[in-house]
Amino acid sequence: QQQVKQSPQSLIVQKGGISIINCAYENTAFDYFPWYQQFPGKGPALLIAIRPDVSEKKEGRFTISFNKSAKQFSLHIMDSQPGDSATYFCAAAPGQGAQKLVFGQGTRLTINP
Amino acid sequence: DAGVTQSPTHLIKTRGQHVTLRCSPISGHKSVSWYQQVLGQGPQFIFQYYEKEERGRGNFPDRFSARQFPNYSSELNVNALLLGDSALYLCASSFPVPGELFFGEGSRLTVL
Repeated sequence: QQQVKQSPQSLIVQKGGISIINCAYENTAFDYFPWYQQFPGKGPALLIAIRPDVSEKKEGRFTISFNKSAKQFSLHIMDSQPGDSATYFCAAAPGQGAQKLVFGQGTRLTINP
Repeated sequence: DAGVTQSPTHLIKTRGQHVTLRCSPISGHKSVSWYQQVLGQGPQFIFQYYEKEERGRGNFPDRFSARQFPNYSSELNVNALLLGDSALYLCASSFPVPGELFFGEGSRLTVL
């Protein structure tokens, strides 16, 4: 019940295309859903986060779509750029414990020029 | 402003040894969390400390321990190292209000 399942494991997208990464969870106590970006040799950095009172949140080229009834959420990267090539992790946390994140397995995104 | 700083950045130990990893949070952050990231996987929660008290513990054996000091810096200790403890150990800090975690670049531990 604590798992967050992420897909796909790897993704190759052409420059300018849309990158889509999906996550699913079981624990209905989760109410904070962030996405992190990690470059090789670096720690994860927060990209965008959502709480379940909204179905979509957009920040620049990054959008989270959230489906509470299906217990799924996804990251869309519009106009993908080679600099977006990195590993992306979805995560979830319960209640006020936003520090106790449960991470997905990660998606290695490659944007071809 | 400095981000979360961790030391050492890399270290090599042998099985059975002990290791201490250190973390300095962002100035003003009172909460520190530790995560273990095995190669090719997502980070796994180990501990959270707030105001020097343990506020959460993940599914890790008692060989793992941590503490937070009055200046909010933190140490993670691992005893009786196993080969499977080889990983990137990440420290993250945050404001008291639940929200964004800021991660350091990690300490990469190799156990031989």
